[in-house]
Amino acid sequence: GAVVSQHPSWVICKSGTSVKIECRSLDFQATTMFWYRQFPKQSLMLMATSNEGSKATYEQGVEKDKFLINHASLTLSTLTVTSAHPGDSSFYICSAKGGDSPLHFGNGTRLTVT
Amino acid sequence: RKEVEQDPGPFNVPEGATVAFNCTYSNSASQSFFWYRQDCRKEPKLLMSVYSSGNEDGRFTAQLNRASQYISLLIRDSKLSDSATYLCAVNRGSGTYKYIFGTGTRLKVLA
Repeated sequence: GAVVSQHPSWVICKSGTSVKIECRSLDFQATTMFWYRQFPKQSLMLMATSNEGSKATYEQGVEKDKFLINHASLTLSTLTVTSAHPGDSSFYICSAKGGDSPLHFGNGTRLTVT
Repeated sequence: RKEVEQDPGPFNVPEGATVAFNCTYSNSASQSFFWYRQDCRKEPKLLMSVYSSGNEDGRFTAQLNRASQYISLLIRDSKLSDSATYLCAVNRGSGTYKYIFGTGTRLKVLA
């Protein structure tokens, strides 16, 4: 149980375009999901907290207009990277908490912006 | 000071060795602590929670030292398959599910 699915697993896009990443909790309801970013050989950096039915809360230094988060249902949160540039190339990982269990992570999305 | 700090390593140990990692945290209000394992280019996988009294799961032992604000992970009888990066995760404060991760400690178990 407690499976979190992320899609796509990898994506290549051109500078200036937007990319949407989906995070789904498959067998539980997640009122809160978290989005992390990980650059090579660095730790997971929390970007934002996605709350079902309300606005996401962003960590300091994360541009909310660039990283759009939508959590329209109890099983789906999306992260849209807008006006992507090569510096946005990274590993994006979502996580969700189900019940009393600790965080469960999606399989991650490797974004490459050319 | 970083919220959560780990020695990045790498720790290179022979098979069968015992190895220990520490992770320090700065927020004294933190209540939940975990160790995750991350393989190259994959998402983190929960290894074990860390309880106040310390806990053991097979070859893995986790401990918490609130006074000094660190958690530790001990791996006994290391296997080649233990080679990975071990991340500690600490919640930002009581009642929050915002977890802050350390940079991870890389372990390489050598044959």
